[in-house]
This record gives sequence, C-alpha cells and structure tokens, in this order.
Amino acid sequence: QVQLQESGPGLVKPSETLSLTCTVSGGSISSYYWSWIRQPAGKGLEWIGRIYTSGSTNYNPSLKSRVTMSVDTSKNQFSLKLSSVTAADTAVYYCARALYYGSGSYGYWGQGTLVTVSS
Amino acid sequence: EIVMTQSPATLSVSPGERATLSCRASQSVSSNLAWYQQKPGQAPRLLIYGASTRATGIPARFSGSGSGTEFTLTISSLQSEDFAVYYCQQYNNWPPTWTFGQGTKVEIK
Repeated sequence: QVQLQESGPGLVKPSETLSLTCTVSGGSISSYYWSWIRQPAGKGLEWIGRIYTSGSTNYNPSLKSRVTMSVDTSKNQFSLKLSSVTAADTAVYYCARALYYGSGSYGYWGQGTLVTVSS
Repeated sequence: EIVMTQSPATLSVSPGERATLSCRASQSVSSNLAWYQQKPGQAPRLLIYGASTRATGIPARFSGSGSGTEFTLTISSLQSEDFAVYYCQQYNNWPPTWTFGQGTKVEIK
C-alpha cells in the first residue's frame, strides 16, 4: 500500500521560500504523477501542481511564477518550493498521488503538514 | 479556470436519512469528476471517481451520478461516520489545472 509523508519547516517568514518534501513508501515513485494540494484553515482545497517522474510539470497558473517542483527517484521523494510567501500561503499542505496513471482523482494522500507564514 | 460550485453549503440530515449533494461545473468536464470525504484533522478520502465509480472499500450507500456540468453524490442512508465535509473535484481540462468545489458540510440534524 502506497504511503506518503510530508516533511519540512512548519514556520516560514514572509518573503522567504517554503520548502516541503514528500517521501513515498510502499511502492516505487516511478511512472506516476505526484501532486501538491493545499488547504487554508477552514477553507477548501487548492491544487498547486504535479510532477511526473521524468521531471515534467504542470502548475496552477495562479501560483506558477512562485512554484518549483522536483523529484528524486533515488530517494523516492518529490519536493515543493514556493517562493516569496505571504500570510495567504499559510495552509495545510498535502502531497498526493492519482489513483492510477492518467487519472486526475487522488487516491493516495499524505497526512498533511501545516505551514504557517509569520515573522 | 473551471469553477466548481457545490450546493448546499451545509446539509442537516438525520441518521438513516438520504443525503443528496450537488456539484456544478462552469463548463463541461465530461465524466472527469471525483468526490472526496474529509473529516476534521484528516486528509481527504476518495469516494467516487469517473463521476460514478466507487473507490476501493467505499460502501455501496455512496453513489455518484451525472456528466457534463451537473453531478450528484447521494448517500442513501446516513451513518454516524458519514458526517463530514464533501468536496467535488474536476480533472478534465488540459493542461491540467484541477479545481475543487468549496465543499458541502453534512451535519447531524
């Protein structure tokens, strides 16, 4: 059973870069798209983007100028960097995988990690 | 961007009753529509994909229908564990910018 686990700082200062890593266990990271989704407290879900194991990416246009995703197949990990953060980027960040290759529905989720942007 | 609109925002239902949740897309998403359940402090759980296919392990009381722009999630007989927030999500557009509805909270009446 595929499991995902987010890790990274829980507190980031305004204007700095948020960096998170998702570690995949119970299966290979290869041949799938891997995504990041976030959720501000008490609000809905926002798709940030996805990366294929080849490095090909798709980003939400509203965040594209600030987002960078990468993948490390040797470590079974993928990462998110979000630059120039503000308080509006405070949210629970989830990493996720589609149910199967080619699907956009998310059958596998990490538990989520809260990132607070504050000085 | 495809905007997903869910209604109602809150649904008050008694245990054992039927719940009907709606999701409307601002343009056709074909059958590329998923439903999720989220409980406090937990990640969303996939219930339905392809508009009407139950994910593995999801009870038969959950059913999805619709295509194009109008979708429905029906919970035939609410159990105590079903009180939660439900989200719809489209995954139709290309290049992908998947979007979620704002959620429907199903609460105990």
